[in-house]
Amino acid sequence: DAGVIQSPRHEVTEMGQEVTLRCKPISGHNSLFWYRQTMMRGLELLIYFNNNVPIDDSGMPEDRFSAKMPNASFSTLKIQPSEPRDSAVYFCASTPGRSGANVLTFGAGSRLTVL
Amino acid sequence: AQSVSQHNHHVILSEAASLELGCNYSYGGTVNLFWYVQYPGQHLQLLLKYFSGDPLVKGIKGFEAEFIKSKFSFNLRKPSVQWSDTAEYFCAVENTGGFKTIFGAGTRLFVKA
Repeated sequence: DAGVIQSPRHEVTEMGQEVTLRCKPISGHNSLFWYRQTMMRGLELLIYFNNNVPIDDSGMPEDRFSAKMPNASFSTLKIQPSEPRDSAVYFCASTPGRSGANVLTFGAGSRLTVL
Repeated sequence: AQSVSQHNHHVILSEAASLELGCNYSYGGTVNLFWYVQYPGQHLQLLLKYFSGDPLVKGIKGFEAEFIKSKFSFNLRKPSVQWSDTAEYFCAVENTGGFKTIFGAGTRLFVKA
């Protein structure tokens, strides 16, 4: 397996623009997580899905952020409109989704810079 | 609410020094515990995990961690660090059955050669 695949690896955009980050989890993994990493706040859980259903989105900062998982092999995290304070590395991770076996496998991350 | 606290944000050690990174969590139920590591330019990856059984768990590269339930702690240790251990270390907690994993703020370790 190629692991968790994220795209783009780097994104530089201007304030106000829409940003879409993409993630392909490991085949057969039932849970998918979006995390954001910043110097100030560390690694924050934004949202996670189990069997394509959003389970907990309490970490999503505000309405400008939205996430979808239309099928078991694809998820998106969208920011509209983007702001400079959204600059961070966004990680996607997946797990088998079974109790007691949930080691996270992370993607390489998408580094977002909003000017 | 579930939370994870890591005691040190930055640690600088010389090679061969001993390492202990503190981690405490706040959650009333049963948990699974993890340490993840992020080497420069690489993915976050699992260092070691505790699900049940022996509270002293061993991971890769000579790392170990001890779960002390009464203290809600899961400290990471290594007797003798190497330059290649320079990385950021994250403690994480998963509430069993809930699949939600929360991370601490991370500790940046720099090992001087």
